[in-house]
Amino acid sequence: QITLKESGPNLVKPTQSLTLTCSLSGFSLTTDGLGVGWIRQPPGKALEWVAVIYWNDEKRYSPSLQRRLTIAKGASKKQVDLTLTNVDPADTGTYYCARAVDYWTVYFDIWGQGTTVIVSS
Amino acid sequence: EIVLTQSPGTLSLSPGERATLSCRASESIKNTYLAWYQQRPGQAPRLLFYGASARATDIPDRFSGSGSGTDFTLTISRLEPEDFAVYYCHQHGSSPYTFGQGTKLDFK
Repeated sequence: QITLKESGPNLVKPTQSLTLTCSLSGFSLTTDGLGVGWIRQPPGKALEWVAVIYWNDEKRYSPSLQRRLTIAKGASKKQVDLTLTNVDPADTGTYYCARAVDYWTVYFDIWGQGTTVIVSS
Repeated sequence: EIVLTQSPGTLSLSPGERATLSCRASESIKNTYLAWYQQRPGQAPRLLFYGASARATDIPDRFSGSGSGTDFTLTISRLEPEDFAVYYCHQHGSSPYTFGQGTKLDFK
């Protein structure tokens, strides 16, 4: 069974950095063509694509967030970390990681349950 | 950036009725790289279709996706109670990979 699970702090202060971890089960980022992406959702609002990383270590970032983002694979290739620097209350929301199955187009077939992040002093 | 506009914002129907949801793009989406997701309250999104009409695993055939260019449609032929949710379109061909604002399907 393929699952993804997000973890990380629930509360972060403005200007701090936020690191979220996506733990993979049933697959890894050693398989050609596979990737893992992050998508976030402010409370009561729509989804927003954040970043994606592929088996070959190619990374793609949302242009609006790129200067504050880093996505990386863990050494085991069964973990993906997302770091967002200089957070702001506008970064509050649920962060999902999801599997990307097509290198040439970025859609997500299996999603984690999401982790809630609140940015507040 | 491709902007996706979904209509209507809210669609009020009854079980057994047909639902038609629209997604319009600000420019043509290459290769019909348009996906649909369903999000039930408190749950993660679930992939329904990619490439406009390719059905994802375990999606019932009462759901269908169609369209090309800038206009795409998700149709649910006969609504079941579990179909009442929010639906998002998502263009997956050009970075940034944008989502629409969602259509809420609720009970009449």
